[in-house]
Amino acid sequence: AQSVDQPDAHVTLYEGASLELRCSYSYSAAPYLFWYVQYPGQSLQFLLKYITGDAVVKGTKGFEAEFRKSNSSFNLKKSPAHWSDSAKYFCALALNTGANTGKLTFGHGTILRVHP
Amino acid sequence: AQTIHQWPVAEIKAVGSPLSLGCTIKGKSSPNLYWYWQATGGTLQQLFYSITVGQVESVVQLNLSASRPKDDQFILSTEKLLLSHSGFYLCAWSLLAISNERLFFGHGTKLSVL
Repeated sequence: AQSVDQPDAHVTLYEGASLELRCSYSYSAAPYLFWYVQYPGQSLQFLLKYITGDAVVKGTKGFEAEFRKSNSSFNLKKSPAHWSDSAKYFCALALNTGANTGKLTFGHGTILRVHP
Repeated sequence: AQTIHQWPVAEIKAVGSPLSLGCTIKGKSSPNLYWYWQATGGTLQQLFYSITVGQVESVVQLNLSASRPKDDQFILSTEKLLLSHSGFYLCAWSLLAISNERLFFGHGTKLSVL
């Protein structure tokens, strides 16, 4: 069965620093990978996704993520971080089976806190 | 623009009581609809999906049921709540029924079962 691991429950840094949120996955075939963000009081919002091709994908709000097949990771990055980036970030995986179920396997999320 | 509305925002219910949560999508015809659930301290997991009116597929057995009575409406319900049903319920939709499609989520319903 597939799984997603976000090893850092909390990440704290100061505004202007570079942020990197870790995500690793377990899946025997090529996955589709996503990052979603949940700002305080808001719903989950799509940031970016990896389907195939270039290892680095760019998303909204200045975020990008790098897909590394060698270590099954899909880390989210942004530089510099801004206090408004404070939120909970979810990494998710969809199976590359063609099945149209809309099923995402989520990690537990990482709460990011950026101090001004 | 498409909008998704979930109701109620929060519920406090007794064990054994019935439950009905709703979700409406406006501005998109024939959306693909999904219910997700997040137990307290847990991760999000898909419960149901629906590609068309009247058809709902169950993904996880949690003594819950779902229905799609109208093209733009998705209902989650049970006749008897369990303590384990507590958590956060999210409705979502997508444009296409393909696995690499992004999902659009509602604001969710927080359910506390006492």
